[in-house]
Amino acid sequence: GEDVEQSLFLSVREGDSSVINCTYTDSSSTYLYWYKQEPGAGLQLLTYIFSNMDMKQDQRLTVLLNKKDKHLSLRIADTQTGDSAIYFCAERGNTGGFKTIFGAGTRLFVKA
Amino acid sequence: DTEVTQTPKHLVMGMTNKKSLKCEQHMGHRAMYWYKQKAKKPPELMFVYSYEKLSINESVPSRFSPECPNSSLLNLHLHALQPEDSALYLCASSPDRADYGYTFGSGTRLTVV
Repeated sequence: GEDVEQSLFLSVREGDSSVINCTYTDSSSTYLYWYKQEPGAGLQLLTYIFSNMDMKQDQRLTVLLNKKDKHLSLRIADTQTGDSAIYFCAERGNTGGFKTIFGAGTRLFVKA
Repeated sequence: DTEVTQTPKHLVMGMTNKKSLKCEQHMGHRAMYWYKQKAKKPPELMFVYSYEKLSINESVPSRFSPECPNSSLLNLHLHALQPEDSALYLCASSPDRADYGYTFGSGTRLTVV
């Protein structure tokens, strides 16, 4: 079945770049997403990328998609302490209807 | 209005109680979702409503009963829950297709005692 995998933890220093990686198995994945969850809160959609794109940039966020390797990454430039949160990679294929598959989430720690 | 509002934010209920979680959005979204999230885990899909009709039920026990009274409201009725049902319950919405992702509410933290 479909699966999305992420590393569980990442620690960076304030001001450095953070790169969070994700791999997925569904070759029909057409839509890929990054969500952020702060403690005690719901998920916030950060950005999305369609499978016909290689890269998407939005202010400090850069998403790279390698469709051949089924690899997605999220780069956060100039990471701030406010970026400390859990980041979920998610994918949805054309066959999934409304169903989005989430990864386990990467907990980002930002050290001052 | 670009928000999904969930009430209550916290709920403690006994195993014999009946309670309801409420979710509201005024973005004109036609799909609404209930997710369950346990600590340190990703959200798990429970139910999907599309145009006020139930389109996905992920084999959720009958002690959870969803209801979509209109296109802006989504309820989750709870009855005879177990302690293992304690979790964060998240509501989300999207336009008729979720191509551009979901808008999530901030969730209801449910504790079953």
